[in-house]
Amino acid sequence: QVQLQESGPGLVKPSETLSLTCAVSGDSISRYFWSWIRQPPGKGLDWVGYIYYSGSTNYNPSYNPSLKSRVTISVDTSKNQFSLKLSSATAADTAVYYCARHLSVYSYFDFWGQGTLVTVSS
Amino acid sequence: DIQMTQSPSSLSASVGDRVTITCRASQSISSYLNWYQQKPGKAPKVLIYSASSLQSGVPSRFSGSGSGTDFTLTISSLQPEDFATYYCQQSYSPPPTFGQGTKVEIK
Repeated sequence: QVQLQESGPGLVKPSETLSLTCAVSGDSISRYFWSWIRQPPGKGLDWVGYIYYSGSTNYNPSYNPSLKSRVTISVDTSKNQFSLKLSSATAADTAVYYCARHLSVYSYFDFWGQGTLVTVSS
Repeated sequence: DIQMTQSPSSLSASVGDRVTITCRASQSISSYLNWYQQKPGKAPKVLIYSASSLQSGVPSRFSGSGSGTDFTLTISSLQPEDFATYYCQQSYSPPPTFGQGTKVEIK
């Protein structure tokens, strides 16, 4: 059974970098696509971006431009994990962050992590 | 981006009721439409993919239909464990986008 587990600080100060890691077990990360999805408190789901094991990435272009330029998703195949970095964090980045797997660019998200709440506050 | 609009935003229903949730896409997405269930404090769970395919392990009371721009999720007989928020999501064209959610509450 595929399992994903997010980890990282639950509290980040404004202007600092939000960093999260998703550890994958039960499957090799060197297959399929791996995404980050976030959900602000009490709101809906927003896709942040994905990475393919080769390192190819795609980020959500529909946020205001500042999000796309602040986001970096990377993969570490040796550790079977991938990561999210979001620089210059603001209160608007406060959300539950989920990592998820999808079989292709055009596929649904079939396995999700449990989610981790990141609060941006001084 | 493709906009996904769900209706209603919330509904109240009783155990045993037939429940229907609608999702409309801002352009044709063929059958690249997926439905998720989310309970409080939990990650979303896929119920239906490709508009009408039931994910393994999901009860058969859940069904999906539609193609193009209009889609429906139906719960044939609502059970206590079905009270949750439901989201549609298009995977036709990146970026993947979600509907705003439909909260199913107990009447």
